Amino acid sequence: GEDVEQSLFLSVREGDSSVINCTYTDSSSTYLYWYKQEPGAGLQLLTYIFSNMDMKQDQRLTVLLNKKDKHLSLRIADTQTGDSAIYFCAESPIYGGATNKLIFGTGTLLAVQP
Amino acid sequence: EAQVTQNPRYLITVTGKKLTVTCSQNMNHEYMSWYRQDPGLGLRQIYYSMNVEVTDKGDVPEGYKVSRKEKRNFPLILESPSPNQTSLYFCASSTGPGHEQYFGPGTRLTVT
Repeated sequence: GEDVEQSLFLSVREGDSSVINCTYTDSSSTYLYWYKQEPGAGLQLLTYIFSNMDMKQDQRLTVLLNKKDKHLSLRIADTQTGDSAIYFCAESPIYGGATNKLIFGTGTLLAVQP
Repeated sequence: EAQVTQNPRYLITVTGKKLTVTCSQNMNHEYMSWYRQDPGLGLRQIYYSMNVEVTDKGDVPEGYKVSRKEKRNFPLILESPSPNQTSLYFCASSTGPGHEQYFGPGTRLTVT
Protein backbone atom coordinates (compact mmCIF):
# COMPACT_ATOMS: atom_id res chain seq x y z
CA GLY A 1 0.00 0.00 0.00
CA GLU A 2 0.93 3.62 -0.09
CA ASP A 3 3.18 4.96 2.62
CA VAL A 4 5.01 8.20 3.22
CA GLU A 5 7.70 8.42 5.88
CA GLN A 6 9.44 11.36 7.48
CA SER A 7 11.73 11.87 10.43
CA LEU A 8 9.87 13.36 13.37
CA PHE A 9 12.13 16.17 14.47
CA LEU A 10 14.82 18.51 13.17
CA SER A 11 16.60 21.26 15.08
CA VAL A 12 18.71 23.93 13.35
CA ARG A 13 20.24 27.29 14.22
CA GLU A 14 18.88 30.48 12.73
CA GLY A 15 20.67 31.28 9.48
CA ASP A 16 21.62 27.68 8.75
CA SER A 17 20.02 25.57 6.04
CA SER A 18 17.38 22.99 6.95
CA VAL A 19 16.87 19.79 5.01
CA ILE A 20 13.71 17.81 5.64
CA ASN A 21 13.55 14.36 4.09
CA CYS A 22 10.69 12.15 2.98
CA THR A 23 10.38 8.74 1.36
CA TYR A 24 7.33 7.43 -0.44
CA THR A 25 6.30 4.10 -1.88
CA ASP A 26 3.74 4.75 -4.62
CA SER A 27 5.49 4.87 -7.98
CA SER A 28 2.33 6.06 -9.73
CA SER A 29 2.33 9.42 -7.96
CA THR A 30 2.17 12.41 -10.22
CA TYR A 31 2.45 15.19 -7.69
CA LEU A 32 4.50 15.46 -4.50
CA TYR A 33 3.84 18.25 -2.03
CA TRP A 34 5.30 20.03 0.95
CA TYR A 35 2.85 21.57 3.41
CA LYS A 36 3.62 23.76 6.43
CA GLN A 37 1.52 23.75 9.59
CA GLU A 38 2.10 26.45 12.18
CA PRO A 39 0.80 25.96 15.73
CA GLY A 40 -2.98 26.11 15.87
CA ALA A 41 -3.30 26.68 12.14
CA GLY A 42 -4.32 24.72 9.07
CA LEU A 43 -2.03 23.44 6.38
CA GLN A 44 -0.39 25.80 3.96
CA LEU A 45 0.96 24.54 0.65
CA LEU A 46 4.60 25.56 0.35
CA THR A 47 5.54 23.99 -2.94
CA TYR A 48 4.98 20.96 -5.10
CA ILE A 49 6.85 19.08 -7.79
CA PHE A 50 5.76 16.93 -10.68
CA SER A 51 7.15 13.42 -10.60
CA ASN A 52 8.89 13.96 -13.95
CA MET A 53 11.04 16.74 -12.45
CA ASP A 54 14.26 16.44 -10.46
CA MET A 55 14.37 19.81 -8.80
CA LYS A 56 12.29 22.88 -8.17
CA GLN A 57 13.46 26.12 -6.59
CA ASP A 58 11.23 28.81 -5.17
CA GLN A 59 13.03 31.61 -3.32
CA ARG A 60 14.47 30.04 -0.15
CA LEU A 61 12.92 26.66 -0.87
CA THR A 62 14.52 23.93 -2.96
CA VAL A 63 12.80 20.61 -3.60
CA LEU A 64 14.86 17.65 -4.78
CA LEU A 65 13.28 14.47 -6.11
CA ASN A 66 15.13 11.19 -6.53
CA LYS A 67 12.63 9.01 -8.35
CA LYS A 68 14.82 5.93 -8.30
CA ASP A 69 15.04 5.95 -4.52
CA LYS A 70 11.57 7.53 -4.07
CA HIS A 71 13.14 10.21 -1.93
CA LEU A 72 11.94 13.78 -1.66
CA SER A 73 13.66 16.55 0.25
CA LEU A 74 12.90 20.15 1.14
CA ARG A 75 15.78 22.50 1.72
CA ILE A 76 15.12 25.83 3.43
CA ALA A 77 17.98 28.28 3.00
CA ASP A 78 18.77 30.87 5.70
CA THR A 79 16.28 29.34 8.11
CA GLN A 80 14.45 31.86 10.29
CA THR A 81 12.60 31.47 13.59
CA GLY A 82 9.38 32.01 11.63
CA ASP A 83 10.09 28.79 9.80
CA SER A 84 9.51 26.82 13.00
CA ALA A 85 6.53 24.59 12.22
CA ILE A 86 5.54 21.06 11.27
CA TYR A 87 6.31 20.18 7.67
CA PHE A 88 4.31 17.50 5.91
CA CYS A 89 5.33 15.63 2.82
CA ALA A 90 2.39 14.32 0.75
CA GLU A 91 1.91 12.40 -2.43
CA SER A 92 -1.05 12.30 -4.75
CA PRO A 93 -1.31 8.81 -6.24
CA ILE A 94 -3.02 8.42 -9.57
CA TYR A 95 -4.58 5.06 -10.21
CA GLY A 96 -7.59 4.14 -12.25
CA GLY A 97 -9.29 7.51 -12.08
CA ALA A 98 -8.53 10.25 -9.77
CA THR A 99 -9.60 10.35 -6.18
CA ASN A 100 -7.86 13.58 -5.31
CA LYS A 101 -6.43 11.68 -2.39
CA LEU A 102 -3.40 12.95 -0.55
CA ILE A 103 -1.21 10.51 1.36
CA PHE A 104 0.55 12.40 4.14
CA GLY A 105 3.67 11.63 6.07
CA THR A 106 3.66 11.93 9.84
CA GLY A 107 5.19 15.41 9.71
CA THR A 108 8.60 16.76 10.73
CA LEU A 109 8.75 19.29 13.54
CA LEU A 110 11.34 21.91 12.63
CA ALA A 111 12.68 23.85 15.60
CA VAL A 112 14.80 26.89 14.78
CA GLN A 113 17.12 28.02 17.57
CA PRO A 114 17.95 31.74 17.69
CA GLU B 1 -11.09 36.26 -0.06
CA ALA B 2 -10.78 32.69 -1.29
CA GLN B 3 -11.10 30.39 1.67
CA VAL B 4 -12.35 27.21 3.28
CA THR B 5 -14.25 27.71 6.51
CA GLN B 6 -15.11 25.17 9.17
CA ASN B 7 -17.44 25.37 12.15
CA PRO B 8 -17.12 24.93 14.98
CA ARG B 9 -13.39 25.38 15.54
CA TYR B 10 -13.54 23.64 18.90
CA LEU B 11 -16.07 21.16 20.21
CA ILE B 12 -16.28 19.06 23.34
CA THR B 13 -19.08 16.51 23.40
CA VAL B 14 -20.13 13.24 25.00
CA THR B 15 -20.22 9.75 23.60
CA GLY B 16 -23.24 9.07 21.45
CA LYS B 17 -24.43 12.63 20.92
CA LYS B 18 -24.80 13.27 17.19
CA LEU B 19 -22.82 16.19 15.81
CA THR B 20 -22.10 17.89 12.50
CA VAL B 21 -19.00 19.82 11.51
CA THR B 22 -19.67 22.16 8.62
CA CYS B 23 -17.30 22.98 5.79
CA SER B 24 -17.81 25.61 3.14
CA GLN B 25 -15.63 26.88 0.28
CA ASN B 26 -16.12 29.95 -1.89
CA MET B 27 -13.83 28.97 -4.76
CA ASN B 28 -16.32 26.94 -6.80
CA HIS B 29 -14.15 23.86 -6.32
CA GLU B 30 -15.53 20.50 -7.38
CA TYR B 31 -13.36 18.37 -5.12
CA MET B 32 -13.69 18.39 -1.35
CA SER B 33 -12.22 16.12 1.33
CA TRP B 34 -12.21 15.54 5.05
CA TYR B 35 -9.07 14.52 6.94
CA ARG B 36 -8.29 13.77 10.55
CA GLN B 37 -4.92 14.51 12.10
CA ASP B 38 -3.61 12.42 14.96
CA PRO B 39 -0.18 12.56 16.63
CA GLY B 40 2.32 10.27 14.93
CA LEU B 41 -0.12 9.42 12.13
CA GLY B 42 -0.15 12.56 10.01
CA LEU B 43 -3.37 13.31 8.16
CA ARG B 44 -5.66 10.54 6.98
CA GLN B 45 -8.50 10.96 4.54
CA ILE B 46 -11.97 10.18 5.88
CA TYR B 47 -14.24 10.90 2.89
CA TYR B 48 -13.99 12.81 -0.34
CA SER B 49 -16.38 14.19 -2.91
CA MET B 50 -15.73 14.76 -6.60
CA ASN B 51 -18.91 16.73 -7.22
CA VAL B 52 -22.43 17.34 -5.99
CA GLU B 53 -24.05 14.07 -4.88
CA VAL B 54 -20.80 12.16 -5.53
CA THR B 55 -18.98 10.99 -2.41
CA ASP B 56 -16.69 8.09 -1.59
CA LYS B 57 -14.81 6.60 1.32
CA GLY B 58 -11.24 7.48 2.13
CA ASP B 59 -8.91 5.52 4.37
CA VAL B 60 -10.74 5.85 7.70
CA PRO B 61 -14.49 6.27 7.01
CA GLU B 62 -15.86 4.18 9.87
CA GLY B 63 -18.10 6.17 12.19
CA TYR B 64 -18.49 9.11 9.79
CA LYS B 65 -20.98 10.24 7.17
CA VAL B 66 -20.87 13.07 4.67
CA SER B 67 -23.20 14.70 2.21
CA ARG B 68 -22.72 16.98 -0.80
CA LYS B 69 -26.04 18.56 -1.66
CA GLU B 70 -24.45 21.81 -2.81
CA LYS B 71 -21.11 22.44 -4.43
CA ARG B 72 -19.85 24.78 -1.72
CA ASN B 73 -20.75 22.70 1.36
CA PHE B 74 -19.44 19.36 2.58
CA PRO B 75 -20.55 18.62 6.15
CA LEU B 76 -19.03 15.83 8.24
CA ILE B 77 -21.52 13.97 10.40
CA LEU B 78 -20.77 11.82 13.42
CA GLU B 79 -23.98 9.94 14.20
CA SER B 80 -22.73 8.43 17.45
CA PRO B 81 -19.33 9.86 18.38
CA SER B 82 -16.90 7.77 20.40
CA PRO B 83 -13.72 8.77 22.26
CA ASN B 84 -11.52 7.34 19.49
CA GLN B 85 -12.88 10.08 17.23
CA THR B 86 -11.22 12.70 19.37
CA SER B 87 -8.97 14.38 16.83
CA LEU B 88 -8.21 17.46 14.77
CA TYR B 89 -10.31 17.55 11.62
CA PHE B 90 -9.52 19.37 8.39
CA CYS B 91 -11.69 20.05 5.39
CA ALA B 92 -10.01 20.72 2.04
CA SER B 93 -11.08 21.65 -1.47
CA SER B 94 -9.44 21.74 -4.89
CA THR B 95 -10.24 22.17 -8.56
CA GLY B 96 -9.37 18.61 -9.42
CA PRO B 97 -7.19 15.55 -8.85
CA GLY B 98 -3.58 16.38 -8.22
CA HIS B 99 -4.28 20.07 -7.92
CA GLU B 100 -3.49 22.13 -4.86
CA GLN B 101 -5.80 21.43 -1.96
CA TYR B 102 -6.85 24.39 0.13
CA PHE B 103 -7.32 23.54 3.78
CA GLY B 104 -9.68 24.95 6.34
CA PRO B 105 -8.40 26.08 9.76
CA GLY B 106 -9.32 22.81 11.48
CA THR B 107 -11.85 21.67 14.06
CA ARG B 108 -10.58 20.23 17.31
CA LEU B 109 -13.07 17.65 18.56
CA THR B 110 -12.98 16.02 21.98
CA VAL B 111 -15.37 13.17 22.75
CA THR B 112 -15.61 12.20 26.43
